[in-house]
Amino acid sequence: EVHLVESGGGLVRPGGSLSLSCAASGFTFSDHYMDWVRQAPGKGLEWVGRTRDKANSYTTDYAASVKGRFTISRDFSRNSLFLHMNSLEAEDTAIYYCTRDIDAGTHAPGFWGQGTLVTVSS
Amino acid sequence: QSVLTQPPSASGTPGQRATISCSGSNSNIGNNNVYWYQQFPGTAPRLLIYRTTERPSGVPDRFSGSKSGTSASLAISGLRSEDDADYYCATWDNNLSGRVFGGGTKLTVL
Repeated sequence: EVHLVESGGGLVRPGGSLSLSCAASGFTFSDHYMDWVRQAPGKGLEWVGRTRDKANSYTTDYAASVKGRFTISRDFSRNSLFLHMNSLEAEDTAIYYCTRDIDAGTHAPGFWGQGTLVTVSS
Repeated sequence: QSVLTQPPSASGTPGQRATISCSGSNSNIGNNNVYWYQQFPGTAPRLLIYRTTERPSGVPDRFSGSKSGTSASLAISGLRSEDDADYYCATWDNNLSGRVFGGGTKLTVL
């Protein structure tokens, strides 16, 4: 069974940095695309970025709103996905969800973690 | 302002059929598969429809997806109280080189 558990959320000052983790289990971590999706309080879903699978060299894509500030990485020894966030702004306040693609040929988010809340405030 | 346009709200009574639209462009819906997600308050989204028309195991066949040109639709037949939730469409946008979501539709089952 696919299981995704995010951690690392919390309160951070504007301009600060924070790293989120997503512990993945129940599947071969290297064989799947992984995305981060966020949801500001009371708002809709916003795609943050993704990392492709081993066959595609784990390359990454980012939303324009976070490009240059956020970085997605993997730690294969821990089967974990990370979202490193720098230069945080109030607009980055949101629940951040870790997702896995539906299957090896369908790369949209199919499995979701429970999310972790990031609050950017002074 | 979302790239994909959904009505902010929809409603229906139990047993009725409800339809939620998702309007985009040739750079997204017109040339890519569409996905639909259901979300209840305080919980993570759940995949409802993938590859425009397919249902994951466990999703009732009351839910169906379709697409015509640059618009997609989610239809829910035989509405039930437990369908009261937020629904989001999503796809890939070739111009933005990123995934895009609709603004979401709050479905109320009266």
